[in-house]
Amino acid sequence: DTAVSQTPKYLVTQMGNDKSIKCEQNLGHDTMYWYKQDSKKFLKIMFSYNNKELIINETVPNRFSPKSPDKAHLNLHINSLELGDSAVYFCASSFRGNTEAFFGQGTRLTVV
Amino acid sequence: AQKVTQAQTEISVVEKEDVTLDCVYETRDTTYYLFWYKQPPSGELVFLIRRNSFDEQNEISGRYSWNFQKSTSSFNFTITASQVVDSAVYFCALSEAERTGANNLFFGTGTRLTVIP
Repeated sequence: DTAVSQTPKYLVTQMGNDKSIKCEQNLGHDTMYWYKQDSKKFLKIMFSYNNKELIINETVPNRFSPKSPDKAHLNLHINSLELGDSAVYFCASSFRGNTEAFFGQGTRLTVV
Repeated sequence: AQKVTQAQTEISVVEKEDVTLDCVYETRDTTYYLFWYKQPPSGELVFLIRRNSFDEQNEISGRYSWNFQKSTSSFNFTITASQVVDSAVYFCALSEAERTGANNLFFGTGTRLTVIP
């Protein structure tokens, strides 16, 4: 059983499109995250979310929005995709701040 | 503001050599957590260790060991008797979880380790 799973693993789309990446965790964690890894391998937090609070990294464009239907899922919606959005997006989960974060396998987004 | 520095961009070693990956951090919080993650060529991020700021005891896990020194704000990672399977990018990360209530990780830029057979 995969602890944190993301779909799709690869996503190729045209500029201007809207797309979503799904994330599910079966670890019973209450906090989920989205990270972006750019072409230089730099990893940066985008959002953290539990059932009470969304913490947004202020550098994230508002075209990106997390949506959580329940504690086990945190999907990432991206509107009006731009070339610069091409990256690998990782979902992660933890139990608040008290445990390590476990990551999904990543979604490689390519905007053409 | 928090910061994690991994000054070594790339390291190459011959199999069976020992190698140390450096990590220096900055934070204003007195309570924080430090992590190491491994990213092999397949791309996933693998958790290796978590250490809280009050626990300076060094840790050993098989061929891996970690040296945490608050006096120098360093959390270095040593691989003993390196193997080809250790080839990966290694990330050091900092979390100020006590203040933020979440495990938002601030990553260093990573060190790419290549172990030559």
